[in-house]
Amino acid sequence: SQQGEEDPQALSIQEGENATMNCSYKTSINNLQWYRQNSGRGLVHLILIRSNEREKHSGRLRVTLDTSKKSSSLLITASRAADTASYFCFTGGFKTIFGAGTRLFVKA
Amino acid sequence: DTGVSQDPRHKITKRGQNVTFRCDPISEHNRLYWYRQTLGQGPEFLTYFQNEAQLEKSRLLSDRFSAERPKGSFSTLEIQRTEQGDSAMYLCASSLFMRQGAAGANVLTFGAGSRLTVL
Repeated sequence: SQQGEEDPQALSIQEGENATMNCSYKTSINNLQWYRQNSGRGLVHLILIRSNEREKHSGRLRVTLDTSKKSSSLLITASRAADTASYFCFTGGFKTIFGAGTRLFVKA
Repeated sequence: DTGVSQDPRHKITKRGQNVTFRCDPISEHNRLYWYRQTLGQGPEFLTYFQNEAQLEKSRLLSDRFSAERPKGSFSTLEIQRTEQGDSAMYLCASSLFMRQGAAGANVLTFGAGSRLTVL
């Protein structure tokens, strides 16, 4: 079964706006990671948050983790057209299972 | 080290033919993973290796699929008697996995993928 499920499935925003996507998972984790995939390419690791962390920042990315609710959110601030991609969460467990992802479209 | 390499990038074949994909992981990585991804879906786990040992294979994986990682370096994924339903992107990833409690985390580095089209 999938361990990460992203929400919403698709998101369309204007350049400069913030984009928020969510991930829910089912089992206990050591860490949670977010990956980006541009159309027709492999996935690229964006950011990792450990289970004892609640929030983490990297450039325009902000990730939060709520282990009590088994959920995480990824915020991309001041979005750019180049942020157009699919975003996946991954719980880094023994079985590497990805959800279907959130497809983000940033309009210039 | 230039990252994870996959070859070929594109393969078009006729139904019933065999195809083989190759993945060269990051040299110091001990784990190697194969995924399949169809349009609009997330990567679907196929199998993974730790060094040369194949530790897990998805129950969804047909017997027509076989993967090897001789000497714990590069890996091959072979699909025999291809079917149109096998058309997908085949992704390879590698990672340096450390035991639970040790420093670090299982961060995956992906290749660009091999796109298979079965006619």
